[in-house]
Amino acid sequence: GEDVEQSLFLSVREGDSSVINCTYTDSSSTYLYWYKQEPGAGLQLLTYIFSNMDMKQDQRLTVLLNKKDKHLSLRIADTQTGDSAIYFCAESDASGGSYIPTFGRGTSLIVHP
Amino acid sequence: DADVTQTPRNRITKTGKRIMLECSQTKGHDRMYWYRQDPGLGLRLIYYSFDVKDINKGEISDGYSVSRQAQAKFSLSLESAIPNQTALYFCATSAGQGADTQYFGPGTRLTVL
Repeated sequence: GEDVEQSLFLSVREGDSSVINCTYTDSSSTYLYWYKQEPGAGLQLLTYIFSNMDMKQDQRLTVLLNKKDKHLSLRIADTQTGDSAIYFCAESDASGGSYIPTFGRGTSLIVHP
Repeated sequence: DADVTQTPRNRITKTGKRIMLECSQTKGHDRMYWYRQDPGLGLRLIYYSFDVKDINKGEISDGYSVSRQAQAKFSLSLESAIPNQTALYFCATSAGQGADTQYFGPGTRLTVL
């Protein structure tokens, strides 16, 4: 089946930028997503990008997509302690109309003072 | 009020017991999903339903069953619980349109002794 890979941990200092990386194998990916999971909570959509786009910016968040290399990244500017969470990369394939996402294992972002 | 609710939030049970986890949603979405989350393994899809009469197995359906009682309700059953079913279980919904982003419940932490 399709695979989504991301590193398990990232530690940054408060105020720095964080970059979380993700690679995927599905050549037919239609949408790519970033979800955030705070402690004790379910996943919450942060942002998504359509596969024909290279970049999407939303306030402190910048998503970059390199479709040729099947690489997705999430940059969080001015990282705050409240950004500490697990970040999941996911991709979906529109073939067959299902759009069921395949999730990565999640990257735990630790923000320290 | 939360759009996607799950009951119970925590459950401890013994090997061999039958357990039902319930999910309700007020988002009016047709699509509903059950996932389990294990540390370091990310989210894995157990079952999904695209409407009341539609039930589909996911990646790890063995040992689980589901029932879609209404558009708003989707329950997950463990017929005979075993310790390796100890995990965090999430219900999610989606509209089946556009990027079809998912909305997650708060999760049920299940421990099987």
